[in-house]
Amino acid sequence: GENVEQHPSTLSVQEGDSAVIKCTYSDSASNYFPWYKQELGKGPQLIIDIRSNVGEKKDQRIAVTLNKTAKHFSLHITETQPEDSAVYFCAALTPSGYSTLTFGKGTMLLVSP
Amino acid sequence: EAEVAQSPRYKITEKSQAVAFWCDPISGHATLYWYRQILGQGPELLVQFQDESVVDDSQLPKDRFSAERLKGVDSTLKIQPAELGDSAMYLCASGERGPSGANVLTFGAGSRLTVL
Repeated sequence: GENVEQHPSTLSVQEGDSAVIKCTYSDSASNYFPWYKQELGKGPQLIIDIRSNVGEKKDQRIAVTLNKTAKHFSLHITETQPEDSAVYFCAALTPSGYSTLTFGKGTMLLVSP
Repeated sequence: EAEVAQSPRYKITEKSQAVAFWCDPISGHATLYWYRQILGQGPELLVQFQDESVVDDSQLPKDRFSAERLKGVDSTLKIQPAELGDSAMYLCASGERGPSGANVLTFGAGSRLTVL
């Protein structure tokens, strides 16, 4: 099955800095890569996603890049704010049968004022 | 904004007891998922429904876990008997096809289980 690895496990930045979280996946058939943000006591919330036929996608301060050859994708957050502090999960969708979403272990991002 | 409803939010039980979690997905979402999230880790799929049918329960410990979605709307996940290692957050999600063509999941707030 698919295996998604995510780094780093924790990331501390100063407000205004950029943050980058990286993920690798193992199944070359995976074709959809969402990123979720999970705040304390809440369920994960989709913040951005990308399909395998696109190399980069941006939405205001967040962007995702995908390198299909290397089988890795990254989340970039610019001009970080304290409210960006949360746990971020990457995931990969393998299109077999009804498709299965496999998550990374998460990155705890702490943005200090 | 439509939400996935889950209850209870918190459950404390003793090992060997039975527990049940309920999920009401977003109206019209045919796909429903139950995930388990152990503290400090990512969600892991337990079971996936398409309407009332189970389409993937390969990771569901069937000796103690069961899930149903009788009318293809709300769903119940049951654990009997509960074990210490079952302590986790149980997340329900429902999905619909998004602009990208893939199934986009919306998660509920989860049910946190503590087994003593």
